[in-house]
Amino acid sequence: GAVVSQHPSWVICKSGTSVKIECRSLDFQATTMFWYRQFPKQSLMLMATSNEGSKATYEQGVEKDKFLINHASLTLSTLTVTSAHPEDSSFYICSASIDEQYFGPGTRLTVT
Amino acid sequence: DAKTTQPPSMDCAEGRAANLPCNHSTISGNEYVYWYRQIHSQGPQYIIHGLKNNETNEMASLIITEDRKSSTLILPHATLRDTAVYYCIVRGLFSGGSNYKLTFGKGTLLTVNP
Repeated sequence: GAVVSQHPSWVICKSGTSVKIECRSLDFQATTMFWYRQFPKQSLMLMATSNEGSKATYEQGVEKDKFLINHASLTLSTLTVTSAHPEDSSFYICSASIDEQYFGPGTRLTVT
Repeated sequence: DAKTTQPPSMDCAEGRAANLPCNHSTISGNEYVYWYRQIHSQGPQYIIHGLKNNETNEMASLIITEDRKSSTLILPHATLRDTAVYYCIVRGLFSGGSNYKLTFGKGTLLTVNP
């Protein structure tokens, strides 16, 4: 149980375009989902906390207009990277919480 | 949340026990010790957590010192698939519907050698 999926697992996009990443809790309902970013050889950094039906709470230094988060249901949250640039290339990981935080497999974003 | 200190890397022979230490000297009374691991290019995986008593599950054992200022994660029979970065995190207990955060440090890279 407690499986979290992400789609896509990897994506390549051109600079200036937008990319949407989906995070789903497959076998449980999650009132809270989290989005993390991980650069090579670095640890996970929390970007934002998302509650179903309300606006996401962003960590300091994370641009909310650039990283749009939608948490429309108890099993789905989406992260849209708008006007992506090469420096946005990273490993994006979501997690969903019920009793503990369960993590998705991650999405590798490469912006060319 | 309290800060943790872990060695950057450790080696272990396959089949032997892996003992991963963590210092959390500023932990407060209502904070738990959590362990996650991250295999290369995957999302973190929950391992175990505890408050003050030792805990054991199918993956590992967690030994917390009496003063709660440090803990040790034990993988009793390490396999090659246990090679990963192990994160020790302290935080308050999730309370249904409440938000909480996990603050990841640099963790310990455990390499299990054949």
